[in-house]
Amino acid sequence: GAVVSQHPSRVICKSGTSVKIECRSLDFQATTMFWYRQFPKQSLMLMATSNEGSKATYEQGVEKDKFLINHASLTLSTLTVTSAHPEDSSFYICSAKGGWEKLFFGSGTQLSVL
Amino acid sequence: EDKVVQSPLSLVVHEGDTVTLNCSYEVTNFRSLLWYKQEKKAPTFLFMLTSSGIEKKSGRLSSILDKKELFSILNITATQTGDSAVYLCAVPRRTSYDKVIFGPGTSLSVIP
Repeated sequence: GAVVSQHPSRVICKSGTSVKIECRSLDFQATTMFWYRQFPKQSLMLMATSNEGSKATYEQGVEKDKFLINHASLTLSTLTVTSAHPEDSSFYICSAKGGWEKLFFGSGTQLSVL
Repeated sequence: EDKVVQSPLSLVVHEGDTVTLNCSYEVTNFRSLLWYKQEKKAPTFLFMLTSSGIEKKSGRLSSILDKKELFSILNITATQTGDSAVYLCAVPRRTSYDKVIFGPGTSLSVIP
């Protein structure tokens, strides 16, 4: 099956720093990738849709200047949390469309901002 | 507004029990429904359902879709402790960027 690699799996950073999370589709080309955020015991909340070669589409309430998304190639999308604060601490997961609407997920990144 | 609802939100059963998880949806331009299992990290794909009345089966798990009544069920027979997880129902919606809507999930705990 399709494989999506996400790293880092865990990051701890100081408040005010920026953190970059990478999401790669390893054995297929993904023109569209999705970024989700998940709080403990809650479902996945779509943050933005990342489209190769164009600007990301953000969901309502998600600050585009806070969560920078770049999808420079068909296999790589990055999410940068800029000037991270403790309230940004969360589990971030990327996914990629693997054809016929199947979504394949990365392993997630647990971000802890001190 | 598009939405996906799951019930129950939480369930505790004993090993060997059979469970039924429910998912109902109201989504524009419905095409398919997906079930995922999420343990500690990323969700893993279980089933994709597109046609009513056709049961999908994988081992002790099975699922079926009713497009008339707008719901799906996921059955797990002879549950094991390894089935403990959050089960997510998701429905892709065709917009300009194919948004996927997730339900809140059902947290299943199987105790020995």
